[in-house]
Amino acid sequence: DTGVSQDPRHKITKRGQNVTFRCDPISEHNRLYWYRQTLGQGPEFLTYFQNEAQLEKSRLLSDRFSAERPKGSFSTLEIQRTEQGDSAMYLCASSLDGQLNEKLFFGSGTQLSVL
Amino acid sequence: AQSVSQHNHHVILSEAASLELGCNYSYGGTVNLFWYVQYPGQHLQLLLKYFSGDPLVKGIKGFEAEFIKSKFSFNLRKPSVQWSDTAEYFCAVYTGKLIFGQGTTLQVKP
Repeated sequence: DTGVSQDPRHKITKRGQNVTFRCDPISEHNRLYWYRQTLGQGPEFLTYFQNEAQLEKSRLLSDRFSAERPKGSFSTLEIQRTEQGDSAMYLCASSLDGQLNEKLFFGSGTQLSVL
Repeated sequence: AQSVSQHNHHVILSEAASLELGCNYSYGGTVNLFWYVQYPGQHLQLLLKYFSGDPLVKGIKGFEAEFIKSKFSFNLRKPSVQWSDTAEYFCAVYTGKLIFGQGTTLQVKP
């Protein structure tokens, strides 16, 4: 499969625990995005990288959230001290360098449930 | 602030009916607009996109959308829907990243 892959597909955790998700983008894509989606809502932008540089982070994003893309390939999203409100689908997407014909390819997401 | 608004949250149609889903955006820069679709159990995928030129753009599976600059709109249309079009549809504007609307759930009854 040469698409965007995310791991794990599902994660159940208890409130207060830390969780980490992984995203492997399409290999030649240098942009990588993280979104969060809750039921009945559209994907909400969290952050994005160009290569290893984190270019933007949503102001809505709590300090408990951190993302990395250390070698400009895969990325991880960590949530510390999870809260029930963090329960959502976390989506990763990748694209080629921000050209005008920007097309994002999405992964299947990681469904997080915080009990 | 940039935003995208989709007017219809849930649409139910019978097969062969015509479809129009509304989308309005708020963004002051060069407009790049998208419609994405999410079929049940699948990931988001691009339906069609507008960057410049002809304001009427055609996408996959018989969908089209019209960009009307004066109305800040980018409505999605299909002349005759099929049961397989049952999905969630998201309008989005590119501002350096994609900003999505809240989505419209389309249910097509056979």
